Amino acid sequence: EAQVTQNPRYLITVTGKKLTVTCSQNMNHEYMSWYRQDPGLGLRQIYYSMNVEVTDKGDVPEGYKVSRKEKRNFPLILESPSPNQTSLYFCASSLQSQGNYGYTFGSGTRLTVV
Amino acid sequence: GEDVEQSLFLSVREGDSSVINCTYTDSSSTYLYWYKQEPGAGLQLLTYIFSNMDMKQDQRLTVLLNKKDKHLSLRIADTQTGDSAIYFCAEQGNTPLVFGKGTRLSVIA
Repeated sequence: EAQVTQNPRYLITVTGKKLTVTCSQNMNHEYMSWYRQDPGLGLRQIYYSMNVEVTDKGDVPEGYKVSRKEKRNFPLILESPSPNQTSLYFCASSLQSQGNYGYTFGSGTRLTVV
Repeated sequence: GEDVEQSLFLSVREGDSSVINCTYTDSSSTYLYWYKQEPGAGLQLLTYIFSNMDMKQDQRLTVLLNKKDKHLSLRIADTQTGDSAIYFCAEQGNTPLVFGKGTRLSVIA
């Protein structure tokens, strides 16, 4: 089944403890992206990647890192999480960033930083 | 940067039609999308329209595009309780998708 898989679905952590949220897609998509969703703010893009080894900042990149060493994986790294990073995170992928390909979203990761 | 605006809430009675509106600023938009997010789930592509079209119908869904006014709408006929969700408008021009903040549709039985 074609899908974007995020892990974990739920995570509670303490301030300053490094964590990684994994994202993997099995559709050979070139484009991958991370969003955070907060009440009243909608979806805000954190980082995106046009292809392997190519990553760019989105609208809210501060406090996050990403890597794209292989096509299928696009992990989101929080080196020193803070409470303002408590949010619902989504990974998405698309065949390409432009053109009518639509985005496929993962099921989300709800992160709480205490 | 480019912007997409939607109202945040809409409440309708079961069986009525729902109309969710969206405005965007990117005059180079080529595709416009509607995504649906059910509680506890990710976003799913509902439908899309190409910028050279005025209307697209797909069963209970009708998408209207007024390119001159940069206005997009989604009409859901015979709205059911299962249609309760957040609906996101998104536009794609020369950049990756830009999403609106989402409209929460509540269907009253």
